[in-house]
Amino acid sequence: ETGVTQSPTHLIKTRGQQVTLRCSSQSGHNTVSWYQQALGQGPQFIFQYYREEENGRGNFPPRFSGLQFPNYSSELNVNALELDDSALYLCASSRDRGLPSAQYFGPGTRLTVT
Amino acid sequence: QQQVKQSPQSLIVQKGGIPIINCAYENTAFDYFPWYQQFPGKGPALLIAIRPDVSEKKEGRFTISFNKSAKQFSLHIMDSQPGDSATYFCAASRPGAETSGSRLTFGEGTQLTVNP
Repeated sequence: ETGVTQSPTHLIKTRGQQVTLRCSSQSGHNTVSWYQQALGQGPQFIFQYYREEENGRGNFPPRFSGLQFPNYSSELNVNALELDDSALYLCASSRDRGLPSAQYFGPGTRLTVT
Repeated sequence: QQQVKQSPQSLIVQKGGIPIINCAYENTAFDYFPWYQQFPGKGPALLIAIRPDVSEKKEGRFTISFNKSAKQFSLHIMDSQPGDSATYFCAASRPGAETSGSRLTFGEGTQLTVNP
């Protein structure tokens, strides 16, 4: 186990709704990254947070947004849900935003949009 | 320039065999190459990682071979066991700039089956 926790485990939402996913990082880690993993594919980088600020973003629209809190936990918010948003959402914590270093993943939140 | 290509898509070996999974990258700025193992319904678990200043790294039954000039790296699993049956992902990242962070770029994954 990595010490990275995510909630909820599963979630079912309707198209057009909004969702908030949560992540607690591993002790000693100050950077949280979020990834989207569609079925049968590798994870895709959404964005990264360091010291409560967004620190890099992948090719995702602005309706994907996030927060990081002083205790380094993080939230991923998705507005105006679309069917294609159905995926496993993973957060990963790491020790340093700048240098490539080990990223440890949580178990993920499975989001289904109907 | 951000792509990481992984092959094969699936692989079946017998217990005790040595499956080999290959990855190729384009961006020469990448300088950290981890491998992850993922079981169904779980998050990816870090197995082993390498930086381009070495050509090989071993941790237990897992070995990474790295060829910087060819921009390729591979994972070897020695004495494979049925419990190794999972999806394996290679990834790469580069030093993060002020606003870009150190994101991981993943390959497409290899589904490994180890038969008893």
